[in-house]
Amino acid sequence: EAQVTQNPRYLITVTGKKLTVTCSQNMNHEYMSWYRQDPGLGLRQIYYSMNVEATDKGDVPEGYKVSRKEKRNFPLILESPSPNQTSLYFCASRGLWEQSYEQYFGPGTRLTVT
Amino acid sequence: LAKTTQPVSMDSYEGQEVNITCSHNNIATNDYITWYQQFPSQGPRFIIQGYKTKVTNEVASLFIPADRKSSTLSLPRVSLSDTAVYYCLVGEDSGGYNKLIFGAGTRLAVHP
Repeated sequence: EAQVTQNPRYLITVTGKKLTVTCSQNMNHEYMSWYRQDPGLGLRQIYYSMNVEATDKGDVPEGYKVSRKEKRNFPLILESPSPNQTSLYFCASRGLWEQSYEQYFGPGTRLTVT
Repeated sequence: LAKTTQPVSMDSYEGQEVNITCSHNNIATNDYITWYQQFPSQGPRFIIQGYKTKVTNEVASLFIPADRKSSTLSLPRVSLSDTAVYYCLVGEDSGGYNKLIFGAGTRLAVHP
């Protein structure tokens, strides 16, 4: 089954404790992206990647890091989480071989930073 | 930056046709228009995509006028399960399909 998986689905942590949210897709997609969703603000893009070792900032990259060492994986790293990063996070992927914006989204990770 | 503007919310009744309009005045020549549906606590799901004129699939239709400064998502005969947030999306003109900007979305409530 074609899918995007994220782990963990729920995470409660404390300020300053480094964490990583994993994202993996099995569709051989080149493009992967991370979004955060906050009430009333819709989805905002954090980082995206066009392929292995090719990442770029989205609209709200501050406080986040990403890496793309393998095509299928695109982890989101919070080196020193703060309460304002409490949010619902989505990973997405898309194939670039055709002119399409169809993104496949993961189930989401709900992060709470206290 | 190609931003979009949509109604914040809409109400409808089962069996009616719903039209949601999105404004994207600064859309770039190479940008496509895409619509997504999102249920609470789930990731968005692709509905339809178009460049100009009309596109139809088994779920919806998308109408895009010649100037492409707006688009209208049409949902025929909605049911209660169509209650969701609908996002209009256009690609940023940065030489490809890199940044995809989601608007604030339209919250559609379908009533019995």
